[in-house]
Amino acid sequence: DGGITQSPKYLFRKEGQNVTLSCEQNLNHDAMYWYRQDPGQGLRLIYYSQIVNDFQKGDIAEGYSVSREKKESFPLTVTSAQKNPTAFYLCASSIDRLLGGELFFGEGSRLTVL
Amino acid sequence: QKEVEQDPGPLSVPEGAIVSLNCTYSNSAFQYFMWYRQYSRKGPELLMYTYSSGNKEDGRFTAQVDKSSKYISLFIRDSQPSDSATYLCAMSKGAQKLVFGQGTRLTINP
Repeated sequence: DGGITQSPKYLFRKEGQNVTLSCEQNLNHDAMYWYRQDPGQGLRLIYYSQIVNDFQKGDIAEGYSVSREKKESFPLTVTSAQKNPTAFYLCASSIDRLLGGELFFGEGSRLTVL
Repeated sequence: QKEVEQDPGPLSVPEGAIVSLNCTYSNSAFQYFMWYRQYSRKGPELLMYTYSSGNKEDGRFTAQVDKSSKYISLFIRDSQPSDSATYLCAMSKGAQKLVFGQGTRLTINP
């Protein structure tokens, strides 16, 4: 079945540690996205990539980094510079490079900083 | 002021009721309007997608867009406990990123 796979589902980390969240898609979609979801705040865009080896900052990129070395993969690193990293992280993809279209989401990764 | 405003609820209604979920927005350039449904601890999934003004119906769900009032709605008829979820509105100007509302948490009580 085609879809987006995020791992791990749950992750705990200590303050000061970097952590990488995995996102893989087998939908052959061009664009991929990372969102952060906090209670009562909807989805906020962290980074997006419309093509391999290129990515753009979203609205809340500080403290995060990404790479897009393969079309299928778009990992997100939450660095120790992110001041409030505890959140639900969602990876998404869309069919073409045009933004604003339908997004297909993974099941999310919940990160808790202890 | 946020570009898209959505009442976060929570909203609780009895089974079989008609549910109305709403979003208002400030940017008149928005043309594409979506509703996503998100079950607890899952990713959102697209429920309805409309372009410009008007109504769109899909089974028990109706999406309505009123561009003159900058107001969109999602109606759920004959609501079921399986409709209990968070509903997110989203909109875009076209080839630009989606802007999401805060999401409304809905519970349908049997």
